[in-house]
Amino acid sequence: DGGITQSPKYLFRKEGQNVTLSCEQNLNHDAMYWYRQDPGQGLRLIYYSQIVNDFQKGDIAEGYSVSREKKESFPLTVTSAQKNPTAFYLCASTPWRSGNTIYFGEGSWLTVV
Amino acid sequence: GQQLNQSPQSMFIQEGEDVSMNCTSSSIFNTWLWYKQEPGEGPVLLIALYKAGELTSNGRLTAQFGITRKDSFLNISASIPSDVGIYFCAGQQKGETSGSRLTFGEGTQLTVNP
Repeated sequence: DGGITQSPKYLFRKEGQNVTLSCEQNLNHDAMYWYRQDPGQGLRLIYYSQIVNDFQKGDIAEGYSVSREKKESFPLTVTSAQKNPTAFYLCASTPWRSGNTIYFGEGSWLTVV
Repeated sequence: GQQLNQSPQSMFIQEGEDVSMNCTSSSIFNTWLWYKQEPGEGPVLLIALYKAGELTSNGRLTAQFGITRKDSFLNISASIPSDVGIYFCAGQQKGETSGSRLTFGEGTQLTVNP
């Protein structure tokens, strides 16, 4: 089945550690996105990539890093510089660079312990 | 940045009732999207609207793109318990061409009592 797969679903991070969240899509979509969702709040854009080997900062990029080496993959690293990383992270994609109908993965929970 | 005002924040209704929620903005939008999110899952696209005045249905759901291009509403008819979740609107301002410039509302939490 086509879709966006995020892993792991649940991740626990110790203070000072970097962790990487995986996002893979088999929809042949050009653009991919990472959002952060905090309880009771809307979605905030972390990073996005409209084409392989290129990505742009979103509204809350500090403390995060990404790579886009393959069209189908857009991993997000939450670094130790992110002061409040506990949140629900959503990966998304759109069919083309200028696409505005966005499709989401099932999300990953990150908790700092 | 641009904000969408989504209301109500939460709704508690009886099974069988109709539901209405809306999003408004001070800016003109060229796309409105409605999503449903269940606990611990990603949002699922319900309806996409691309033209002012457009009225689109998806089963018991109906959404409209406001004539002023600054608002949109979502109606759910004859609610059932599985309608429970958070409903988000998302919009793209006129002149923007990328999904990176979508703005999201803060969601309406819907509870349906059997």
